[in-house]
Amino acid sequence: EPEVTQTPSHQVTQMGQEVILRCVPISNHLYFYWYRQILGQKVEFLVSFYNNEISEKSEIFDDQFSVERPDGSNFTLKIRSTKLEDSAMYFCASSEMEGPSGNTIYFGEGSWLTVV
Amino acid sequence: AQKVTQAQTEISVVEKEDVTLDCVYETRDTTYYLFWYKQPPSGELVFLIRRNSFDEQNEISGRYSWNFQKSTSSFNFTITASQVVDSAVYFCALTNAGNMLTFGGGTRLMVKP
Repeated sequence: EPEVTQTPSHQVTQMGQEVILRCVPISNHLYFYWYRQILGQKVEFLVSFYNNEISEKSEIFDDQFSVERPDGSNFTLKIRSTKLEDSAMYFCASSEMEGPSGNTIYFGEGSWLTVV
Repeated sequence: AQKVTQAQTEISVVEKEDVTLDCVYETRDTTYYLFWYKQPPSGELVFLIRRNSFDEQNEISGRYSWNFQKSTSSFNFTITASQVVDSAVYFCALTNAGNMLTFGGGTRLMVKP
């Protein structure tokens, strides 16, 4: 079964450093998402991306965050200057059509980011 | 604003017991979609079910069943004859027609042998 893959599975970084989390969505999917889950808390929406543009973003997704689809297969989340509170599991997801309403969103296994 | 509440933070059962996970939602939209996801210890989020607001029929899939009641804004999930492999965190989620899923806080289910 096709799946969303994420790298790295775990990254430890110093506060203030830039981090790039990578994702390979399912190949025929056109819509891409990032969610995050702070330890022990609920999963929170960050951003959705379609046709090389952000289609929706949450309040969490401030200027420190950016997303990019640098080539035909990868989808990245960059955190420009990490803070302690950025420590969380970051989930990449993709769907064939827009949004979870008309289609299923498939999630990757997550990238656990620890900021020290 | 949308909100999903899973009041049970943790449930512990013995294998073969039935267990129901509660989900209560709030939304002002008349069209919305409800989901359940499973998060096993390995961490990934596994899609279980999607239900739209116009379809209140209950659904059964093997040992899993879902009870959607608009009158009480609830979308409860029952596992029949639970197994150790069912141990996971289960999330209920809600969206309108947009891209953003609003998740509940999750219920950690522990099934003991």
